Amino acid sequence: AQSVTQPDIHITVSEGASLELRCYYSYGATPYLFWYVQSPGQGLQLLLKYFSGDTLVQGIKGFEAEFKRSQSSFNLRKPSVHWSDAAEYFCAVGARTGRRALTFGSGTRLQVQP
Amino acid sequence: GAVVSQHPSRVICKSGTSVKIECRSLDFQATTMFWYRQFPKQSLMLMATSNEGSKATYEQGVEKDKFLINHASLTLSTLTVTSAHPEDSSFYICSAPVRDRYTGELFFGEGSRLTVL
Repeated sequence: AQSVTQPDIHITVSEGASLELRCYYSYGATPYLFWYVQSPGQGLQLLLKYFSGDTLVQGIKGFEAEFKRSQSSFNLRKPSVHWSDAAEYFCAVGARTGRRALTFGSGTRLQVQP
Repeated sequence: GAVVSQHPSRVICKSGTSVKIECRSLDFQATTMFWYRQFPKQSLMLMATSNEGSKATYEQGVEKDKFLINHASLTLSTLTVTSAHPEDSSFYICSAPVRDRYTGELFFGEGSRLTVL
């Protein structure tokens, strides 16, 4: 069974500082990989996704993520955080064949200090 | 991108009543839709897979008689929480892949917050 681990439950950074959110997956093969963001009481917004090809993926709002097969990781990064980035971030994996539902990590809550 | 719409976005009901949540794909057809549940400050857990024209597939531990799912058409799936109790209070989110164009990506609705008094 596939699983996703986000080891950091809560992260606080200062505005303008860099950010890295960690994500590790367990799966028999390389899955599809996603990062979503959720503001309080809201639905999910897709930040970026990895299907194949270049392992460094660019997303919206200045986010990027790097797929590292050797580490089974898909960490999310942003060079300079803005106060509006404060939200909950979810990493998710999806199978390339068969069952199509995504499996989500437990989430990382990002707090941004002025 | 494809758009998925949920209704209602918020619902408050009394214990023992039933509540129906609709999930519509607005600009694409979806033979499959997924229903997730999210408790406060927790992650999204898959409840069931809704299949157009056939029975839904439920995840282990999800009561199929409590959470009735109907996929009436290629653009509509409904989740009915029957005889709701306070412990059913949660955020319910539906999602769907675009039919015949599977890229791994799911499109999510805005979510429906259910509060059972």
